[in-house]
Amino acid sequence: ESVLTQSPATLSLSPGERATLSCRASHSVIHYLGWYQQKPGQAPRLLIYDASKRATGIPARFSGSGSGTDFTLTISSLEPEDSAIYYCQQRSNWPLVTFGGGTKVEIK
Amino acid sequence: EVQLVESGGGLVKPGGSLRLSCAASGFDFSGYSMDWLRQAPGKGLEWVSTISSNGRYIYYVDSVKGRFTISRDNFKNSLYLEMSSLRDEDTALYYCARELDGSGTYLDYWGQGTLVTVSS
Repeated sequence: ESVLTQSPATLSLSPGERATLSCRASHSVIHYLGWYQQKPGQAPRLLIYDASKRATGIPARFSGSGSGTDFTLTISSLEPEDSAIYYCQQRSNWPLVTFGGGTKVEIK
Repeated sequence: EVQLVESGGGLVKPGGSLRLSCAASGFDFSGYSMDWLRQAPGKGLEWVSTISSNGRYIYYVDSVKGRFTISRDNFKNSLYLEMSSLRDEDTALYYCARELDGSGTYLDYWGQGTLVTVSS
């Protein structure tokens, strides 16, 4: 089973700045990794799948990269509404779905 | 518009049972695998169970095997989670979610969740 470790735990940035979130897998997940955004009191929303593909309706400022064990979610220019917890997710050990512990993005 | 609406949550004593429902609309429900996930208060996300589009293939996380049963009714566009022998650690917000078509991996639509509280 591949364990996902996210860093940093919290990121505090100003609007317009670039956010870089990391997700590291204990074993290779090839490119089968997704990213979700969860705002307070809301359900998670799929942002990125297969490491780099944007889900339907996701703004272009969100991008994903990486393969194997190291993955990155980048928000190119932070908007106030991007304040949320971001989770990475994989299913390399089928059928088990696992999530990382999350990175909280705070907008100053 | 894809909609998933969960119901059936509530307060139940340890050892008790509960049945969750998820009403789906806005898409061809019978064509998608569906999942249940949960989130304990202030905690991260945990996958609970998956059911294939025709109900033939079913999977559970180890911690709920033998206690939870997932099912679906494609005529009623509904997903269910029958929970028994409930424990304190089952307390969580339970989400139903649709699997991204063909991916078998990602969850592209989620409901708003129904809260299950297990407490004496």
